Amino acid sequence: DIVMTQSPDSLPVSLGERATINCKSSQSVFYSSNNQNYLAWYQQKPGQPPKVLIYWASTRASGVPDRFSGSGSGTDFTLTISSLQAEDVAIYYCQQYYSTITFGQGTRLEIK
Amino acid sequence: QLLLEESGPRLVKPSETLSLTCSVSGGFINSSDYFWGWIRQPPGKGLEWVASIYYNGNLYYNPSLMSRLTISGDTSKNHFSLRLSSVTAADTAVYYCARGVHLVRGVWGDWGQGTLVTVSS
Repeated sequence: DIVMTQSPDSLPVSLGERATINCKSSQSVFYSSNNQNYLAWYQQKPGQPPKVLIYWASTRASGVPDRFSGSGSGTDFTLTISSLQAEDVAIYYCQQYYSTITFGQGTRLEIK
Repeated sequence: QLLLEESGPRLVKPSETLSLTCSVSGGFINSSDYFWGWIRQPPGKGLEWVASIYYNGNLYYNPSLMSRLTISGDTSKNHFSLRLSSVTAADTAVYYCARGVHLVRGVWGDWGQGTLVTVSS
């Protein structure tokens, strides 16, 4: 299985500031035949199911605010929130779907 | 508006079989545009993909659970189901059913609210 490792585990950020979460895969999730990275990001708030934010590493899902962006390729990926809002407090997970689906351990984003 | 609703026993005894059904409204499990699946989350822990099903009958299982798993679909009732046999306390989790993002296998765009299944005698 591909192991997904996120950093940091916990991230305190001030309102209005940039938040950056990293995700590293144990092997590449880039598929050269279609030039796509099989990497998604989810947001989960307490008591709620996860919500997809990004897939194909950088494609925003429908209805996701543009302050959320994804970048990276191969084995190293980043989720960036350009200006943190109070409603962004949540746990964020990366997930690969290149092979057997696996998730990162999650990053807890909180207000500093 | 798509609605996914998990149902089934909330308490299962060790060594018995966990059975859950995901009822779908506002969409059809026989659509070629979407995958359908189960993801679980032990209390206070992270997410684990369990299994997926596609309209053509293709089934996909988490290898670590495959020997105990069955996923199936019933197009007449527009629902799909999960059976996990020989359960232990480690199978205690919130079980979510989900629909994939349009034409993308492995990314989950719509989720049920989840149901907590506890394995205990």
